[in-house]
Amino acid sequence: NAGVTQTPKFRVLKTGQSMTLLCAQDMNHEYMYWYRQDPGMGLRLIHYSVGEGTTAKGEVPDGYNVSRLKKQNFLLGLESAAPSQTSVYFCASSYPRGGTGKNTGELFFGEGSRLTVL
Amino acid sequence: GQQVMQIPQYQHVQEGEDFTTYCNSSTTLSNIQWYKQRPGGHPVFLIQLVKSGEVKKQKRLTFQFGEAKKNSSLHITATQTTDVGTYFCAGPNAGNMLTFGGGTRLMVKP
Repeated sequence: NAGVTQTPKFRVLKTGQSMTLLCAQDMNHEYMYWYRQDPGMGLRLIHYSVGEGTTAKGEVPDGYNVSRLKKQNFLLGLESAAPSQTSVYFCASSYPRGGTGKNTGELFFGEGSRLTVL
Repeated sequence: GQQVMQIPQYQHVQEGEDFTTYCNSSTTLSNIQWYKQRPGGHPVFLIQLVKSGEVKKQKRLTFQFGEAKKNSSLHITATQTTDVGTYFCAGPNAGNMLTFGGGTRLMVKP
């Protein structure tokens, strides 16, 4: 099992360019997430999905769009990149959070995608 | 909205010394999770605490959930260079999605 795979791992964009980050998981998880990580700010949720065909906004959704056409894939799009979107992006997946018992809803993270916008 | 704060932001320790990071939530949490991120790596799940006052141990790591379920701590006894990394706490928000603290970066001098 590969777990959670993100592509690309590195990308440099110019302001105004567009791009898509791809996340794939092979654990049959219902939930998938996109986080961004900036120094001193921890991980902030951009968008998430609780199932195929569904998406929802997280804490910092502006400037991003997502799609979940297949259960195993979650795409993050930047339509017009800005320098403020320079960050490390992490995709994660999980089973639905049960809160108690065996299902902790722990997140399984990909290795990250480092994006620089000039 | 919910805020999850961690202190300290950074901690340098000599190998063999103890280390503690504290996590405080602005709201009562149903549970709290802890993650570790090695330098250049991705966050990896360590543990989940659910009960008020719960204490769990993993070898040299001791995790505690406060009685009011608004705070938590991670204590490492006799740190080793392998403990280097950033430790994050995370708690579910009103939408049951995890909100992460800013993390505590631990550096260990050999």
